Amino acid sequence: DGGITQSPKYLFRKEGQNVTLSCEQNLNHDAMYWYRQDPGQGLRLIYYSQIVNDFQKGDIAEGYSVSREKKESFPLTVTSAQKNPTAFYLCASSTFLAGKNIQYFGAGTRLSVL
Amino acid sequence: AQKITQTQPGMFVQEKEAVTLDCTYDTSDQSYGLFWYKQPSSGEMIFLIYQGSYDEQNATEGRYSLNFQKARKSANLVISASQLGDSAMYFCAMREGPSNYQLIWGAGTKLIIKP
Repeated sequence: DGGITQSPKYLFRKEGQNVTLSCEQNLNHDAMYWYRQDPGQGLRLIYYSQIVNDFQKGDIAEGYSVSREKKESFPLTVTSAQKNPTAFYLCASSTFLAGKNIQYFGAGTRLSVL
Repeated sequence: AQKITQTQPGMFVQEKEAVTLDCTYDTSDQSYGLFWYKQPSSGEMIFLIYQGSYDEQNATEGRYSLNFQKARKSANLVISASQLGDSAMYFCAMREGPSNYQLIWGAGTKLIIKP
């Protein structure tokens, strides 16, 4: 089945620790995205990538880093510089089929601070 | 100014009734796209329906339809014959321009279907 796989489902971070969230897609989509969602809130864009080896900052990139070495993979690292990382993180991918650019999402990762 | 406004933070609807979720948008682009997503309590965002600014017909997907009123800058989601499984958060989003990768998201509406 084609889709987007995020892992782990739950993640705990200790103070001063970097953690990496995995996102893999087998939809052959060119673009991938990372969003953060706080309780009761909408989505905020952290980073996105239109193509391999290229990515752009979104609205809240500070304290996060990404890489895009393969088309299928777009991992997100939450660094120790992100002082309030507790949130729900969603990964998405898209392609400009028929000009629509519909984003499809993974199941998400819930990150908490110990 | 908010580019996407969802004025209903929460709604209660009786099962089997139709429900309309409001979304207004603000853009000066002529070419844009409007999206609706559903987020159940599990958290995954599920794409429901898309409307392009140049589409002459309102989009429909099964029980979902989009009431697109361009002059009013309104893109309301209509769910016919609501079911208990429709209980979820619903988000409206907009792509400004023909090739913009980023979406602008509304704050969402929490829909609860009563049996």
